[in-house]
Amino acid sequence: GQQLNQSPQSMFIQEGEDVSMNCTSSSIFNTWLWYKQDPGEGPVLLIALYKAGELTSNGRLTAQFGITRKDSFLNISASIPSDVGIYFCAGSPSTDSWGKLQFGAGTQVVVTP
Amino acid sequence: NAGVMQNPRHLVRRRGQEARLRCSPMKGHSHVYWYRQLPEEGLKFMVYLQKENIIDESGMPKERFSAEFPKEGPSILRIQQVVRGDSAAYFCATAPGSGNTIYFGEGSWLTVV
Repeated sequence: GQQLNQSPQSMFIQEGEDVSMNCTSSSIFNTWLWYKQDPGEGPVLLIALYKAGELTSNGRLTAQFGITRKDSFLNISASIPSDVGIYFCAGSPSTDSWGKLQFGAGTQVVVTP
Repeated sequence: NAGVMQNPRHLVRRRGQEARLRCSPMKGHSHVYWYRQLPEEGLKFMVYLQKENIIDESGMPKERFSAEFPKEGPSILRIQQVVRGDSAAYFCATAPGSGNTIYFGEGSWLTVV
């Protein structure tokens, strides 16, 4: 079956630094999504990508849908303490059913002052 | 999390009991997806329902688990004869259609003792 690999598993960074994480898939995805999850909460959608090559920003967050359709990255610029949390990539191979997602294992981000 | 309501937020059950988790979609959303998250893992798709229909249950365990989304009322994920391995966070996500981005609820945390 398809596998979604997310890296790094965790990151310890200082406030103000940039953060970068990525996901790769063993097969083609038609949608890439990035979520943030705080402890005891559900995932919150950060950025959605629908086209290969698409580069989308949301404030200090930037994400790209890889040209090969098998990868995506998320960058966070100038990190602040509230960026702490677990970031998940998710993708869908379907062209008409976007709710059935495969999730990466997550990247734990810790920001120190 | 955009109005997707899940209850209970926390549920403790003894082995062998039944667990019922409820999900009320956002207004105007008729597509419901259930996901399970084991500790320190990403979310895994379980089942996709529309009103009165199960569309895709490929992620549901073959035994003890069932889901419904009746014409009236919330979607319900039912786990019979719970075992310790069922301890997890269960999330529902909803969308207005199959080709729309989904939005997650805050989750129901099941603990089996």
